[in-house]
Amino acid sequence: QIQLVQSGPELKKPGESVKISCKASGYTFTDYAMHWVKQAPGKGLKWMGWINTYTGKPTYADDFKGRFVFSLEASASTANLQISNLKNEDTATYFCARGDIGTTDYWGQGVMVTVSS
Amino acid sequence: NIVLTQSPATLSVTPGESVSLSCRASQSISTSIHWYQQKSNESPRLLIKYASQSISGIPSRFSGSGSGTDFTLSINRVESEDFSIYYCQQSYSSLFTFGSGTKLEIK
Repeated sequence: QIQLVQSGPELKKPGESVKISCKASGYTFTDYAMHWVKQAPGKGLKWMGWINTYTGKPTYADDFKGRFVFSLEASASTANLQISNLKNEDTATYFCARGDIGTTDYWGQGVMVTVSS
Repeated sequence: NIVLTQSPATLSVTPGESVSLSCRASQSISTSIHWYQQKSNESPRLLIKYASQSISGIPSRFSGSGSGTDFTLSINRVESEDFSIYYCQQSYSSLFTFGSGTKLEIK
C-alpha cells in the first residue's frame, strides 16, 4: 500500500537549521510530485511548494523562498525539507503529500517542528 | 496569487442534517478546485477532486459542484464522523493555495 512516512518531531533554537524527511513506499517515487504543506498550531493549511521527483526541480510559494529547500534522495524514495535560520514563526507541523495532477492524494503523518529558545 | 475564501468559518449542525460549504476564488479557475477533510490531529484526506469528481473510498454522501469562481461541497445527512475541518485547494495556478477552512461542529 502507498505510504509516506515522515521523520520524528524536532525541537530547535532560533537560528538553527532542521531537515525533515519523507520516505515513500508502495509506488514508483519518480512518477509523482511531492508537495510540502505547513500547518501552524491551531491554524489552516499553507501550501509551501513542490518538487518534481523526476527532474529534482523545486517550486516554492512566495512565502517560502530563501530559507526553505526541497531536495531528494531518489534512490531511497525520500524527499527532504530543510529550513535554515529557524524563527519562532516556523513552529508548525510540516506535511509531505504526493502530488497527482493538481491534487495531493496521499499525505505523510506530519512532523512537528518547535522553535524555542 | 489566487485567494480562496471559504464560508462560513464555522457551521453548527445536528447529525442527519444536510449541509453546503462554500469556496469562492478570487478569479476564474475553471473546475481546478479540490476538497479535503482534516480531523483533529490527523493528516488531511482528499474528498473531491476537480470540483465534482469522486474519490475511491470516500462515502457517497460527499459531493461537489461549481465552476469558475464559486464552488460547493455538499454533505448529505451529516454523520458523527464528519465533524471536522474542510479545506478547498486550487491547482489552476502553478502556485497552489488553500482556503482558510470551514469547521463543521455539532450543534
